[in-house]
Amino acid sequence: GAGVSQTPSNKVTEKGKYVELRCDPISGHTALYWYRQSLGQGPEFLIYFQGTGAADDSGLPNDRFFAVRPEGSVSTLKIQRTERGDSAVYLCASSSRGLNTEAFFGQGTRLTVV
Amino acid sequence: AQSVTQLDSHVSVSEGTPVLLRCNYSSSYSPSLFWYVQHPNKGLQLLLKYTSAATLVKGINGFEAEFKKSETSFHLTKPSAHMSDAAEYFCVVGNYGGSQGNLIFGKGTKLSVKP
Repeated sequence: GAGVSQTPSNKVTEKGKYVELRCDPISGHTALYWYRQSLGQGPEFLIYFQGTGAADDSGLPNDRFFAVRPEGSVSTLKIQRTERGDSAVYLCASSSRGLNTEAFFGQGTRLTVV
Repeated sequence: AQSVTQLDSHVSVSEGTPVLLRCNYSSSYSPSLFWYVQHPNKGLQLLLKYTSAATLVKGINGFEAEFKKSETSFHLTKPSAHMSDAAEYFCVVGNYGGSQGNLIFGKGTKLSVKP
């Protein structure tokens, strides 16, 4: 596709449930980022992939959050035992080489935990 | 550690007047700095970036920013605001130390443009 694609665009789930959020980056981009944006705040870094490996996962808030990128393209962010505080817009971005190159963002997945 | 502070949460200007959105940064290294814009219900878009070349950086839509090391600032300006400039603007610093590789966002400045 032409840009970063995120699915679903909206997700409502019950507290305690498991959710998966998908990111399809721009073709050929080796770097992929996940961010979380709460209402009225700037995006907060979660995890950065270079290829298939997580080069920096220092932003993941706790062990309920996990992300994979098994083939170096599509990535899935997984949240276990969701809590109401997980409600936010989850943003994915990709860039051609990572550091210092422009990151292109998707439109995000709005997660609501009820 | 890297950080950015956007000094105004909300700026309101009249159409045709200058825009100034202020940003100060803190960085242990020679920083990479960016401005992103977020229009309602749209994805984040890069306006411009500074990566240790010219200190005055020109971006899209007539925006520019000046890197001032002595003031640790990277303010965003535009000579004449347009209604379509109304959006949320984020100042961003690259966090590239060791194995780290991420962008640190400020809290954002909401720009309103009055007719």
